[in-house]
Amino acid sequence: DAGVIQSPRHEVTEMGQEVTLRCKPISGHDYLFWYRQTMMRGLELLIYFNNNVPIDDSGMPEDRFSAKMPNASFSTLKIQPSEPRDSAVYFCASSLDRTVAETQYFGPGTRLLVL
Amino acid sequence: AQKITQTQPGMFVQEKEAVTLDCTYDTSDPSYGLFWYKQPSSGEMIFLIYQGSYDQQNATEGRYSLNFQKARKSANLVISASQLGDSAMYFCAMREVTNAGKSTFGDGTTLTVKP
Repeated sequence: DAGVIQSPRHEVTEMGQEVTLRCKPISGHDYLFWYRQTMMRGLELLIYFNNNVPIDDSGMPEDRFSAKMPNASFSTLKIQPSEPRDSAVYFCASSLDRTVAETQYFGPGTRLLVL
Repeated sequence: AQKITQTQPGMFVQEKEAVTLDCTYDTSDPSYGLFWYKQPSSGEMIFLIYQGSYDQQNATEGRYSLNFQKARKSANLVISASQLGDSAMYFCAMREVTNAGKSTFGDGTTLTVKP
């Protein structure tokens, strides 16, 4: 069974450009999470969805960030316009349900560099 | 207060020896789950082991075991017979029943296995 799939794996862009990160969760998983990892702030939860509906976006840094989940098998995280401080590794994760015992499975991450 | 505390930024261990990575947590929820993830230099987040707050026995998965001391709110990861491939960053995480959509992660411990 395929794990969480993310694309692209690496992205280099210039400040001011729009960046779109993509994620395909594990089939059957009802929860999808977007995280950002930096040296300074560690692993931060940005937003998560349940059955394609955003549940908590309190971690989204600012209005430049938006996330959508149009269907159960696809989600995007968009940054517009991008800034150098957005450089980070962005992870998507999914889990079967919301119980405390349920493991979140992570994708390989997208390494974003904004010049 | 931090919910997950990993006090060891870096640890060294000799190959074939055992090592313990510390994790303490803070919660008032009666039900919660504790997880350990491994992040090698390649960047992916790999789930290692899970311990539930009501589990009577310590979790084990191959060479990984979790030393769960509920009264002390600690969930230390023990890696037996260390291998060079165990060199990585290790994250402790918690999922609480009142906030079960989210996981809270510690800052991580970098483990280096010496030959």
